[in-house]
Amino acid sequence: RKEVEQDPGPFNVPEGATVAFNCTYSNSASQSFFWYRQDCRKEPKLLMSVYSSGNEDGRFTAQLNRASQYISLLIRDSKLSDSATYLCVVNTGFQKLVFGTGTRLLVSP
Amino acid sequence: DAGVIQSPRHEVTEMGQEVTLRCKPISGHDYLFWYRQTMMRGLELLIYFNNNVPIDDSGMPEDRFSAKMPNASFSTLKIQPSEPRDSAVYFCASSEGFSGYEQYFGPGTRLTVT
Repeated sequence: RKEVEQDPGPFNVPEGATVAFNCTYSNSASQSFFWYRQDCRKEPKLLMSVYSSGNEDGRFTAQLNRASQYISLLIRDSKLSDSATYLCVVNTGFQKLVFGTGTRLLVSP
Repeated sequence: DAGVIQSPRHEVTEMGQEVTLRCKPISGHDYLFWYRQTMMRGLELLIYFNNNVPIDDSGMPEDRFSAKMPNASFSTLKIQPSEPRDSAVYFCASSEGFSGYEQYFGPGTRLTVT
């Protein structure tokens, strides 16, 4: 089993839609969690950290479920500019960071 | 404020040649990471340094790969000899800390080995 798993997609949604991605991790001792965004042929950039209590940043909401070992990202009112690949990142402990392979989102007019 | 700087941005080389990728991290960042990204395997951590010291190189694929950080403002990733399967985008990233800290990525070096 992979340490961090994501559905590769693509998720095709119209503008204004709400879309959610999940990411599962295998190490229950994992300590910190992030969502990064990567545009085509660009470098990854931090979108948001994921806190135990869940957190929101504008149209984006991230949640952590330690019991089921997954994190989620919810995007409301999708914009064309949200089209990108979303990478789940987990600090699995032992000073080790693991990136998921990413979920591709395509928002269409 | 300059971000992470990588050079070259593109490299095309023939199998068997030596390839050296360069990275300048953000000033003041204590951690430096080298990643490789391919369509098949996604983003893989190759090695990371803390205060110029290599901490974990378990992701380095084989002895053909080596990385150095002679000072806080410069690191290299060397492949010798290169092979076609090394073709990928290589990213360097830096951060102020490890757990819970944002990593800032450079623009990457797109390596093609023919």
